[in-house]
Amino acid sequence: GAVVSQHPSRVICKSGTSVKIECRSLDFQATTMFWYRQFPKQSLMLMATSNEGSKATYEQGVEKDKFLINHASLTLSTLTVTSAHPEDSSFYICSARGQEVGVNQPQHFGDGTRLSIL
Amino acid sequence: GQNIDQPTEMTATEGAIVQINCTYQTSGFNGLFWYQQHAGEAPTFLSYNVLDGLEEKGRFSSFLSRSKGYSYLLLKELQMKDSASYLCAVRKLTGGGNKLTFGTGTQLKVEL
Repeated sequence: GAVVSQHPSRVICKSGTSVKIECRSLDFQATTMFWYRQFPKQSLMLMATSNEGSKATYEQGVEKDKFLINHASLTLSTLTVTSAHPEDSSFYICSARGQEVGVNQPQHFGDGTRLSIL
Repeated sequence: GQNIDQPTEMTATEGAIVQINCTYQTSGFNGLFWYQQHAGEAPTFLSYNVLDGLEEKGRFSSFLSRSKGYSYLLLKELQMKDSASYLCAVRKLTGGGNKLTFGTGTQLKVEL
């Protein structure tokens, strides 16, 4: 089945640091990638949708200048949390969907990145 | 917006059958997905419904009634490893494409 690789799996860093998370589709071309955030015992909340070669679409309440998304190729999207603070500590999960049109495809998820800001 | 409701917790016995319900309200409905998520891990895809009826996939089945805004996930022959959170997710067609919104998840505990 389709594989989505997310790196790193865990980050612990000081407040004020910027952190970059990579999401790669390994065996398919992902025209669309999604970034979610999940706080403990809560559901996944969509942060933004990124389409290859165009600007990301952010959900209401998500600061685009704080969460920078780049989707430069059909297999790679990155999320950069700029000047991270303790309240940004969360589980960040990316998801990717392939190019096929007219086929009902599920989104495939990466393994997630647990971000802890001290 | 979308309202997706599912029970917070359920407990069942190994070898038994359990049904996890999900109700939703949305416009532009374009499919309903069920995912399994173990603690600290990413969700894994279980099943998908876009038309009314039952979809069966091994020990897992999912049912959809679009007119009632209702779905359920049926797990048969429960195993201890089935203890996890089960997420109901509704896909909505928007101007920007399809968007998937998740419910808060049902934490299933399988006991001996």
